[in-house]
Parts: sequence; C-alpha cells; structure tokens
Amino acid sequence: DSGVTQTPKHLITATGQRVTLRCSPRSGDLSVYWYQQSLDQGLQFLIHYYNGEERAKGNILERFSAQQFPDLHSELNLSSLELGDSALYFCASSEHGTPDGTEAFFGQGTRLTVV
Amino acid sequence: DAKTTQPPSMDCAEGRAANLPCNHSTISGNEYVYWYRQIHSQGPQYIIHGLKNNETNEMASLIITEDRKSSTLILPHATLRDTAVYYCAPSGNTPLVFGKGTRLSVIA
Repeated sequence: DSGVTQTPKHLITATGQRVTLRCSPRSGDLSVYWYQQSLDQGLQFLIHYYNGEERAKGNILERFSAQQFPDLHSELNLSSLELGDSALYFCASSEHGTPDGTEAFFGQGTRLTVV
Repeated sequence: DAKTTQPPSMDCAEGRAANLPCNHSTISGNEYVYWYRQIHSQGPQYIIHGLKNNETNEMASLIITEDRKSSTLILPHATLRDTAVYYCAPSGNTPLVFGKGTRLSVIA
C-alpha cells in the first residue's frame, strides 16, 4: 500500500459526459501528479500541483482540468468525454515540489471506460 | 527532459540476476535516475534512484556509469513476482516522464 488513495477504482460513463476523479496523497506530501495510461501507451504526464498551486503541465487536453484543495487532496475533471479518453488514470504524490531526490508514490489508479 | 532508451523486453530465469539497461545520454547534471516498475495494471512502484553513485536497497541495485549516460538496474535473485514493466526516468526539477520501459518476464 503506497498510502495514495484514488477513488473510484472503476468508472463507466457515456460519451459527452463529465466525471471527477479523486486523489488523496500520502500524509505529509504536498505534491500531487496526474498521469494517464491508455491501452498500449506508456504513462503520460498530465499535470502537477504543489501545495494548491499548479506547477507543471504535460499532455493535458483542454477538456481536462485539475485542482488541489487546501486539505491537499486533488481532483481531475474530465469533460465532453470521448471514447479515446478510456484509460487508467494514476495519481502520485511526493513530499516536495520537485522529484529532486525524493520518490513519488503512485495510487492504484482509476480505470475509466467511456462507452 | 532526458530521453531514455530501454530494450522492449527481456527474459530472466528465476533465481538468476536480472540486469536491465537504460540509456539516458542527454541527462542533465542535476537529474536523478529513477527506476519504477508496473505489475499488470497496478500503480507504478518505486524501486530505487541515484544521482552519481551506485545505490543499493532491499529491492535492487543501481549502477550508473561514470559519464551518467546510462544505468543498469540489477535484481539480484529474480522471482516470478518480479515479472513487470520496468521504467527508468531521469528527473531533476520536472515531474517524472516515463518511456515505454522494458517488459521483464521471469521464467520458472
């Protein structure tokens, strides 16, 4: 158990809908990272938050957004969903604002299926 | 971000050492080399990381060449449970960026 909690574990929704994925980081970790993993694809970095502020953006679509709340949990919002958004979405947390010698711990992911 | 090259797949006999190479020739001076693995579709699991010196922990050893352009992860006594995709990811002040990794199959 990494200490990072993601909910829900599975989500099935229709095209055009909007969903929210939730991540609770490890106790004491200030950074939250979101990754997307599609079938046959590697882990794609989406976005990084540190202590409530956006720190870095990766290959995140404009239909996707995220935020980190004062209690440090984070939510990833996916809207106008398309079939191609079906994927595993992982959250990771780390103590500091940069990896910089400290490891990041990953949750078990949310499997999103868009039908 | 440093680009990485890893063999797409490797086999290893159970009980033998598994040596997984990674080329990261564009690594910057302040970037660490991180290794993670992913078993089936579980969340990636941290294994080890290093900057310049070789490192060892309870899971593995990491050998980094003197010029830091490549590294090797060593699992000293591979078991069936070590079957996974292994990623190396150089990172300094940016989030981890993963390549396609090496699919290690440990064979009984």
